[in-house]
Amino acid sequence: SQELEQSPQSLIVQEGKNLTINCTSSKTLYGLYWYKQKYGEGLIFLMMLQKGGEEKSHGKITAKLDEKKQQSSLHITASQPSHAGIYLCGAHLNDYKLSFGAGTTVTVRA
Amino acid sequence: KAGVTQTPRYLIKTRGQQVTLSCSPISGHRSVSWYQQTPGQGLQFLFEYFSETQRNKGNFPGRFSGRQFSNSRSEMNVSTLELGDSALYLCASSLRGTSGNTIYFGEGSWLTVV
Repeated sequence: SQELEQSPQSLIVQEGKNLTINCTSSKTLYGLYWYKQKYGEGLIFLMMLQKGGEEKSHGKITAKLDEKKQQSSLHITASQPSHAGIYLCGAHLNDYKLSFGAGTTVTVRA
Repeated sequence: KAGVTQTPRYLIKTRGQQVTLSCSPISGHRSVSWYQQTPGQGLQFLFEYFSETQRNKGNFPGRFSGRQFSNSRSEMNVSTLELGDSALYLCASSLRGTSGNTIYFGEGSWLTVV
């Protein structure tokens, strides 16, 4: 099983609506990364969260880290077609190795 | 500044052949990691190099190998290719490769084995 569980696996949202993606770790989180990927392309760095309770924003995308729950959430406000893609969470669960969730595919319908 | 550069972007190989993929990290970054991405397995960690030393290795057979040069550029090699090696191979670069370092990815190398 994945050390990082993402939910939902996929979602379809109407343009202008909000959405939330969750990432839960089975191990202690020492920081967490969020990336976005278009199919077949590289990962685009979105945000890195290091401390419990930390919250960061990048445009209309906000991410939070809850160390106690070993969980992070990514929230997109007023989604646009440009937000469509695969969102991946990653974390250093072991030294020098970044483990990833399976990804959440976001489709934005006009 | 230039991002992570991977070459080649696309390649087709025949079963039994070998392949070498190259990665140039961001200037000043000394850690380079390699990942394999497939629809079924997602992103799987292959290995990580720092200052020419392999510090961690994933659960892949010995056919998968890598190295890092003194200028931090890295190569990975897959020998005796199998159909199941068809995947997107991604390279990631960071300053030290540890928690707290921003990690940047290249565009990837698409390998198709026929």
